[in-house]
Amino acid sequence: QSVLTQPPSASGTPGQRVTISCSGSSSNIGSNTVNWFQQLPGTAPKLLIYGINQRPSGVADRFSGSESGASASLAISGLQSEDEADYYCAAWDDSLNGWVFGGGTKLTVL
Amino acid sequence: QVQLVQSGAEVKKPGASVKVSCKASGYTFTNYDINWVRQATGQGLEWMGWMNPNSGNTGHAQKFQGRVTMTRNTSISTAYMELSSLRSEDTAVYYCARAKTGKGAFDIWGQGTMVTVSS
Repeated sequence: QSVLTQPPSASGTPGQRVTISCSGSSSNIGSNTVNWFQQLPGTAPKLLIYGINQRPSGVADRFSGSESGASASLAISGLQSEDEADYYCAAWDDSLNGWVFGGGTKLTVL
Repeated sequence: QVQLVQSGAEVKKPGASVKVSCKASGYTFTNYDINWVRQATGQGLEWMGWMNPNSGNTGHAQKFQGRVTMTRNTSISTAYMELSSLRSEDTAVYYCARAKTGKGAFDIWGQGTMVTVSS
């Protein structure tokens, strides 16, 4: 059971906007920023969003993050077939004194 | 370019130990923490611990208390993660990831090292 809760799956059609939620508590998302990672099949995770809504160089601006209280969301606009991947949220947990991850969301592009 | 290159796949028997290496290049090794994250087949990501290569300070998830050791050799910009008393549930891909000191995001990842624990 993951400390952060994500829906196991999400889907959308090309061009559509999809959102993936990540729910936590006051000790993690409620007091620290959320990072989002994309993992394509058979590859290492890749940082997508950090510091609430910052994107590393090279990440498309179709990806955006938001936070409210102890929850966070990743939005992907203009969905493309290459966005089909697993997405994970992560945050530092002050009570556990370590990083915690969501269980991951498998995004399918129909 | 900035990269982390990990050692190759390992097969170990239950009760044994495994040591995975993570060689950094393209940046100053001692300026960023190294975190370790593992992923069992078909499962999610699990954080194991962090190490500051400059000070050698470490921290780890309670789950791995007494079993995980993180070290480094700054002369060759390499971090190590050793996991002892292996059991079948430790079979997973182990990743190292770079992060700015102090809750920084994991911005660079190694390619992963498959560790299989089997009798």
